[in-house]
Amino acid sequence: AQSVTQPDIHITVSEGASLELRCNYSYGATPYLFWYVQSPGQGLQLLLKYFSGDTLVQGIKGFEAEFKRSQSSFNLRKPSVHWSDAAEYFCAVGAGNGGATNKLIFGTGTLLAVQP
Amino acid sequence: DADVTQTPRNRITKTGKRIMLECSQTKGHDRMYWYRQDPGLGLQLIYYSFDVKDINKGEISDGYSVSRQAQAKFSLSLESAIPNQTALYFCATSDPSRGTQYFGPGTRLTVL
Repeated sequence: AQSVTQPDIHITVSEGASLELRCNYSYGATPYLFWYVQSPGQGLQLLLKYFSGDTLVQGIKGFEAEFKRSQSSFNLRKPSVHWSDAAEYFCAVGAGNGGATNKLIFGTGTLLAVQP
Repeated sequence: DADVTQTPRNRITKTGKRIMLECSQTKGHDRMYWYRQDPGLGLQLIYYSFDVKDINKGEISDGYSVSRQAQAKFSLSLESAIPNQTALYFCATSDPSRGTQYFGPGTRLTVL
């Protein structure tokens, strides 16, 4: 069965420091992978997605993620964190057939706190 | 205007009451979804619909029902609300060719 694991429940970084949020997935075929961000009191906003091609994906707000098939990972990175990046981050894998994903399986989220 | 809207945004109700949460979208997508979010559990899929005649149960459909009134409207009902249904509920739509989902702002439901 498809699953997504985000091993870090809560991470605290200093403003200006680099960030890496971990995501591991279990899926039998080539996955569609997503990172979403949820700011306090808000809905989920898509940061970036991977479908195929270049394994390093650029997203909004200066985020990037790298797909590593051998490690079943899709870790999210940012070189310099801003206070406004404090939020909860969700990794998701698209599950479905025939090349088109039917639904998303979400990880449990990583809550990011940013220290001044 | 937002592409995916949800009403109400907040609702407090009592055990045993019937509640309907509504979702509307202007993205023209056929696929719509209802999720529930609980702290530490991420998002869990309740129901999803690929068109007005196609409705499917998700991981946690017990205690919920849905209605797809039109391509743009997808409602979630709690027939008899119970306290453990207190949660944040999200509606989403998706681009069928790629699966990217677009989320509404959420409805915070409290069942007393």
